[in-house]
Amino acid sequence: GAVVSQHPSRVICKSGTSVKIECRSLDFQATTMFWYRQFPKQSLMLMATSNEGSKATYEQGVEKDKFLINHASLTLSTLTVTSAHPEDSSFYICSARAVAGVGGELFFGEGSRLTVL
Amino acid sequence: LAKTTQPISMDSYEGQEVNITCSHNNIATNDYITWYQQFPSQGPRFIIQGYKTKVTNEVASLFIPADRKSSTLSLPRVSLSDTAVYYCLVGDTLSGSARQLTFGSGTQLTVLP
Repeated sequence: GAVVSQHPSRVICKSGTSVKIECRSLDFQATTMFWYRQFPKQSLMLMATSNEGSKATYEQGVEKDKFLINHASLTLSTLTVTSAHPEDSSFYICSARAVAGVGGELFFGEGSRLTVL
Repeated sequence: LAKTTQPISMDSYEGQEVNITCSHNNIATNDYITWYQQFPSQGPRFIIQGYKTKVTNEVASLFIPADRKSSTLSLPRVSLSDTAVYYCLVGDTLSGSARQLTFGSGTQLTVLP
């Protein structure tokens, strides 16, 4: 099946620093990628929809200036958590929908665990 | 948006068949029903998808009644490694937005020895 890869899988940073998480579709092109956040014992919450070559669409309550999303190519979207604080500590997951050939299903990355000290 | 309702948790024993039911009363005509499995600190993994009646693959079966207002994921002969959270999602996976594929609370399945 299609593969979506995230990097890094784990990151620890100091409060106030910025962290970038990459999401790549390895064997298919994805015009649209999605970013989720998941707190412990909770479900996935959609943060934003990332469209290749255009601005991301953020869900209500998600600060676009804090969570910068860039989708520069059909295989890469990045999420940058700017000026991270301990409350941003969470599990961030991306997903991607294939352009063609893989049925249009959503494929999820392995997730990235962010810990802000 | 089609809201889904699942049991919060279920326990089972190794070797048993497990059925997890999901209610989705306001499912739309174009909506598919998709089930995902998630282990701790991992992304969701696709299990099965269906539109109506029955779908079966190498790991599970999905039963969908004629009115499509509910669906049942059936896991045959579960093992300890099937302990995970199972999510039922309803939406147009082929062209709909991810917002339509809203994750509900999921069902924590615990398989006991």
